[in-house]
Amino acid sequence: GAVVSQHPSWVICKSGTSVKIECRSLDFQATTMFWYRQFPKQSLMLMATSNEGSKATYEQGVEKDKFLINHASLTLSTLTVTSAHPEDSSFYICSANSQGAVTEAFFGQGTRLTVV
Amino acid sequence: AQKVTQAQTEISVVEKEDVTLDCVYETRDTTYYLFWYKQPPSGELVFLIRRNSFDEQNEISGRYSWNFQKSTSSFNFTITASQVVDSAVYFCALIFFGAGSYQLTFGKGTKLSVIP
Repeated sequence: GAVVSQHPSWVICKSGTSVKIECRSLDFQATTMFWYRQFPKQSLMLMATSNEGSKATYEQGVEKDKFLINHASLTLSTLTVTSAHPEDSSFYICSANSQGAVTEAFFGQGTRLTVV
Repeated sequence: AQKVTQAQTEISVVEKEDVTLDCVYETRDTTYYLFWYKQPPSGELVFLIRRNSFDEQNEISGRYSWNFQKSTSSFNFTITASQVVDSAVYFCALIFFGAGSYQLTFGKGTKLSVIP
């Protein structure tokens, strides 16, 4: 199957700083990428849908000014957590779909963010 | 509204026992896709199966089998002769098409512990 690479796998940052997480599709062009957040022992909650070259669509309750999403190319989407606080600590996972396989979601390995 | 319900939060079985994970979904769409993913402790999501709404044939893959019943809106997953390596959280998910977009909705997951 297609490969989605997410980087970094884990990150610890100080409160107030910003963290950027990258999601890359390695062997296909991803017209759409999705960002999810998962709290411990909970399910994945969709944060936003990102289409290449356009603004991301955020789910209700997700602060778009706090979670900046950029999908500048067909192989890269980034999620920047701005002015991170301890409550932003979570597991963030991206997924990507290609034009020819919109019903197949390929997931990155996830990024565990800890804000101290 | 689209919804996926996994009523079993946690299940423990002894190695070599069979175990069935339940998944019930709700959707108004006639075209949709159902998925099962495995999430081991490392966090990455491992794709197990995709099934479209027009294909009700049950599927078997090694020790894994899936029972899709449209009449009861269920898509249950059975592991035969469970092994310790099967210990993980399993998510059932639904892709639906609506208003020109599609989203993957996850159930809350079932944590399976296989005891040696």
